[in-house]
Amino acid sequence: QKEVEQNSGPLSVPEGAIASLNCTYSDRVSQSFFWYRQYSGKSPELIMSIYSNGDKEDGRFTAQLNKASQYVSLLIRDSQPSDSATYLCAVKEFYFGSGTKLNVKP
Amino acid sequence: DVKVTQSSRYLVKRTGEKVFLECVQDMDHENMFWYRQDPGLGLRLIYFSYDVKMKEKGDIPEGYSVSREKKERFSLILESASTNQTSMYLCASSFAPGSHYGYTFGSGTRLTVV
Repeated sequence: QKEVEQNSGPLSVPEGAIASLNCTYSDRVSQSFFWYRQYSGKSPELIMSIYSNGDKEDGRFTAQLNKASQYVSLLIRDSQPSDSATYLCAVKEFYFGSGTKLNVKP
Repeated sequence: DVKVTQSSRYLVKRTGEKVFLECVQDMDHENMFWYRQDPGLGLRLIYFSYDVKMKEKGDIPEGYSVSREKKERFSLILESASTNQTSMYLCASSFAPGSHYGYTFGSGTRLTVV
């Protein structure tokens, strides 16, 4: 079983919609969780981190963590074409999912 | 802003060559990491280091070694390059062990072994 699982997508949403990206992890004792965005041909860049159960908001981005169910989500409100990228979930700093490709259609 | 600089953007090497990939960070970060990224496989940890002259194996260390003689520099060495080491190599750094700040990545080195 992989440490971190993500649906590879692509996830297509219309401009202005909410994009919901999900990630599950296997290690129950994981304490830190990260979301990165990676544009095609570029390296990943950190969007958000979350450590406590519940929601954490930063602008149009909301990270949600549920440790009991071992999943972490990223919501992108008012999605823009510039949000089209691959989104990587990372657990315990080290372990990355394969990423979900998001396409936001104008 | 923290900068993580990888010395080469593209490299082409021959099978059997010894290959050095260099990474330098300028913000006094404790932790440095080497990953490779392949389609469908995501980011896989090769080696990491929490301090000068310290190194730890990641998930796929075979065929690689590392060197950290100075805090700001972390080098990945392919002892004898093989075609299955053709990949995108990403260096990253973070503030401290167990850091809540996540990684800063370099721009990557796309290595082709022919």
